[in-house]
Amino acid sequence: DADVTQTPRNRITKTGKRIMLECSQTKGHDRMYWYRQDPGLGLRLIYYSFDVKDINKGEISDGYSVSRQAQAKFSLSLESAIPNQTALYFCATSDPTGGGTYNEQFFGPGTRLTVL
Amino acid sequence: GESVGLHLPTLSVQEGDNSIINCAYSNSASDYFIWYKQESGKGPQFIIDIRSNMDKRQGQRVTVLLNKTVKHLSLQIAATQPGDSAVYFCAVRDRGSTLGRLYFGRGTQLTVWP
Repeated sequence: DADVTQTPRNRITKTGKRIMLECSQTKGHDRMYWYRQDPGLGLRLIYYSFDVKDINKGEISDGYSVSRQAQAKFSLSLESAIPNQTALYFCATSDPTGGGTYNEQFFGPGTRLTVL
Repeated sequence: GESVGLHLPTLSVQEGDNSIINCAYSNSASDYFIWYKQESGKGPQFIIDIRSNMDKRQGQRVTVLLNKTVKHLSLQIAATQPGDSAVYFCAVRDRGSTLGRLYFGRGTQLTVWP
């Protein structure tokens, strides 16, 4: 969905490096999410934010931190990357108060991160 | 919390046949269900949703069926086409979740062959 963009799309880094993944959206949604996808495990929630002043941990937040710089921007950081953080990372947004479907989440194209 | 599982990790069908992808959930308080399609190299895209006060909902070539008695959800794709090849996820929302959190299943890889 072009309304949700992620940078970079691919990243290879080394163990111990600090990495930031960025997400921007033009949908005007208040709610933003970071997910991790591993083969055979589906999507797992890392962090979510329901507005600029709200940050919440998901089910696998250890080793990650986030920053909600503005309504449109939500960044995910790996302070000291480790190999088992190699995965596909997705940002998503939702606006349950708006028109359309109820609580639908719109996903970005993903960032493929490899930690060597 | 919620546990969401899919019955089959892979499904292969012939072009033109109907496809059925199944999903089971654990929490009887779940009130909203979504099917997503994920093509290779892309993020999940919304296909169809259904609320717990409904048993069936139809879209273009897709139908979602909800059986709350056995906590089972299915996605039916009519006249499956090669462009339908993708991974399909079900997602479930807990009514008890004040934050509207979705729980995702592991995905079924649908392959359509000519």
